[in-house]
Amino acid sequence: LQLHESGPGLVRPSETLSLSCTVSGFSISTSNYYWAWIRQPPGKGPEWVGSIFYTGSTHYNPSLESRVTISVDTSKSQLSLKLNSVTAADTAKYYCARHVMVPMVVSTFDLWGRGIMVAVAS
Amino acid sequence: QSVLTQPPSVSAAPGQKVSISCSGSSSNIESNYVSWYQQLPGTAPKLLIYDNNKRPSGIPDRFSGSKSGTSATLDITGLQTGDEADYYCGTWDSSLSASVLFGGGTKVTVL
Repeated sequence: LQLHESGPGLVRPSETLSLSCTVSGFSISTSNYYWAWIRQPPGKGPEWVGSIFYTGSTHYNPSLESRVTISVDTSKSQLSLKLNSVTAADTAKYYCARHVMVPMVVSTFDLWGRGIMVAVAS
Repeated sequence: QSVLTQPPSVSAAPGQKVSISCSGSSSNIESNYVSWYQQLPGTAPKLLIYDNNKRPSGIPDRFSGSKSGTSATLDITGLQTGDEADYYCGTWDSSLSASVLFGGGTKVTVL
């Protein structure tokens, strides 16, 4: 199983950050897992961005929910992240991960991609 | 400031034991399962412990997790130089603003 993030490494302030994650070696259309985006600013701890089930059902971090859209394309085995109106505070390494989740009970990120560093700067 | 509080750093000599605490509240640690992650320098986090005290395949039994009330603990016994890393706890928070949380992280140094 591999997860591979891709997208631009630099985004201008106020624009939209767009990333993709390709899942290989495992079916993204499984009923056992969600698929998540997690970010980690330099020198800080991880922050959950949101998760999606293969049906398209999503859960978002309330602090980012107004700016985030996560989608899934099962035919391409890909999930995508869009974060709009970015500022320097959105500069971080962005990871996709496989997510064992029962809302309000269980949250385990059992497999992670290598991540992609995204800087927000003019 | 993370909702889940971890000590910034712990250290011990090779072969010794370290314990990392993760302090939360009734809406997160006390009522939900806790996971622990190890992040070696320059790499992605890796799952060490899930469901409070279970180890994924391939994780040595030198790593163990426990939970009591609003706190969780990760113990590392027989400390090795390769254990130098950042360690994060994680869980759900079931408050009104339900979210997945991570602790602020603890740097383990092998002296």
